[in-house]
Order: sequence, then C-alpha cells, then structure tokens
Amino acid sequence: GAVVSQHPSRVICKSGTSVKIECRSLDFQATTMFWYRQFPKQSLMLMATSNEGSKATYEQGVEKDKFLINHASLTLSTLTVTSAHPEDSSFYICSARDPRAGSFYQETQYFGPGTRLLVL
Amino acid sequence: GQSLEQPSEVTAVEGAIVQINCTYQTSGFYGLSWYQQHDGGAPTFLSYNALDGLEETGRFSSFLSRSDSYGYLLLQELQMKDSASYFCALDSNYQLIWGAGTKLIIKP
Repeated sequence: GAVVSQHPSRVICKSGTSVKIECRSLDFQATTMFWYRQFPKQSLMLMATSNEGSKATYEQGVEKDKFLINHASLTLSTLTVTSAHPEDSSFYICSARDPRAGSFYQETQYFGPGTRLLVL
Repeated sequence: GQSLEQPSEVTAVEGAIVQINCTYQTSGFYGLSWYQQHDGGAPTFLSYNALDGLEETGRFSSFLSRSDSYGYLLLQELQMKDSASYFCALDSNYQLIWGAGTKLIIKP
C-alpha cells in the first residue's frame, strides 16, 4: 500500500509553546489529507480535512486558530498546535487519500505512524 | 446523523474464529471499511465492502448487508498478533465516519 510518514513521532513540550507536525505522502500525490486526534482507549476523531492549495475544513468544535493546517504541496501537510496546553496532549494521526486506490468512490486512507504529543 | 456501533471488547482463543459486528445508521454511504490498530500505532486498512456480500482477504473476511444496516469482520485462524483494536468506518462523502472500536483479546 501507499506510504505516509509523519514527523516527529513523539514530542514533549512546555505549556504555551507551539508544535508543528509534518505529514508526507512518500510515493503518491495526495490532494486531500486528514488530521485525526485520538485519546487513550477512544476512537479516532477527525479534526480537519486538508486540501492542497486551499483552506482546511475543520470539524465542529475544533478551533482553527489553535490547530493551524497548511497543505502547501501535494505531498506535505502540516499541523501546528499553537499555544499548547496539557489538555492538547494526545495522539495525532494524519492520513492521505490515495487517488489510485480502488474505484473512484472508494475511500481508502493510508495513515501516518502518528505523533504522540505530551504537553507539560 | 451518522453513527456506528460495535462491541467494545471481544475475547477469543488462538486458532479460533471470531466475528466483530458493526451496525450503523446513515442516510447514505459508499461503503464500509475495516481498520486494525495495534496499541500505540496508527490504523491500517484491512477491507472494504462497497456491495452486499462477503469480501475475503486471506484470513480476514468482511461482510455487508445494506438492507440490515449491518456488517462484520471475520478473523480466522486467530494468531496472537491479531490482538488489536478493530474499527469499522463508513465511507461517506469522501470522509470516514468511525465506530468506537472493538478491542480483540486473544488467549492462548
């Protein structure tokens, strides 16, 4: 399957600082990437849909000024957690839609390995 | 709205067969996906049902019945490495709507 990388895999930061997470599709061009957050023992929660060259679409309840998303190229999307607080500590996962996968209507997403954020 | 329900936990014995059910409510969708997630890792794609019936991929099979709003993931010849959480997800309008996940515990 397609490969998606994510960097860093783990980050510890002080409260009030900003953290940038990168998501890259390594062997395909992803016009759409997704950012999820997952708290322990819970399902993935979609935060936003990132489309290359346009503004991200945020899910209800997700603060767009706090979680800045930039999708500057077909292989890179970034999520910046601004002024991070302990409650932002979570597992952040990106995924990318591979347009080559399946029929045109099949939604197959390939996931990055995730970034574990701990805010002290 | 759209929602999915699946059992929170299922226990099975190594070498056995286990079925993880998923019921859903939706006004329309393209298909039902299944993902596996090991502790600390990201989800990996397992299977997709666009049409009613059974899709087989090695030891894993997935089933969909649109008339019953129901699907399941069937895992055969269970191995210890299959211990993970399994999520069903609705493929709806170019998004995935996720179930809460089922933790599969495998005993030797």
